[in-house]
Amino acid sequence: EVQLVQSGAEVKKPGESLKISCQGSGYNFTTYWIGWVRQMPGMGLEWMGLVYPHDSDTNYSPSFEGRVTISADKSINTAYLQWSSLKPSDSAMYYCVRRGMAVWGQGTTVIVSS
Amino acid sequence: DVQLTQSPSSLSASVGDRVIITCQAKQDISDYINWFQHKPGRAPNLLIYDASRLETGVPSRFSATGFGTDFTLTINSLQPEDIATYYCQHSDNLLPFTFGGGTKLDIK
Repeated sequence: EVQLVQSGAEVKKPGESLKISCQGSGYNFTTYWIGWVRQMPGMGLEWMGLVYPHDSDTNYSPSFEGRVTISADKSINTAYLQWSSLKPSDSAMYYCVRRGMAVWGQGTTVIVSS
Repeated sequence: DVQLTQSPSSLSASVGDRVIITCQAKQDISDYINWFQHKPGRAPNLLIYDASRLETGVPSRFSATGFGTDFTLTINSLQPEDIATYYCQHSDNLLPFTFGGGTKLDIK
């Protein structure tokens, strides 16, 4: 079965760093890019960016460029989304999704609060 | 970035109704549009890709058309389980793959 499994919910303080993960299984991980999508509470879906696992090339939405880092480790079939200094406005649900947009992770809730 | 405008932003309909949601692109994007259904607490579900192709397993009451800048998603004979928020998304090589603002659908 093709699936993406994301890491668990996180509660962090402003200014802390965070790295969440998305592990693929059931397919050749390097042949499909992995994208990240944000949904803030009560808001719509926002495309953040993607990573090509075969060479770790990335592309970011202008809204997220410089605010987050997307990466991948093809040796363990895992993509990552990370922040170096969280803000309360980063509180949201984050989804990873595979090229084709039919396979999604279950979502990771991030709460940033003092 | 490709900008997508969905309408309406919210909609109430009765079971059995036909529901139409529109998505307009600010530039010609050919048939590179996806449609998603998103229910609270769940990951989005791909309904339609390439503007009109039904994803495997999606009920046939869902259909979509469009090309260029104007696209529509139709739900024939609305069912209670169709209550969700619906999004369009452009999917061609012009990154980023922006989403429309969403249409929240509920039952009258």
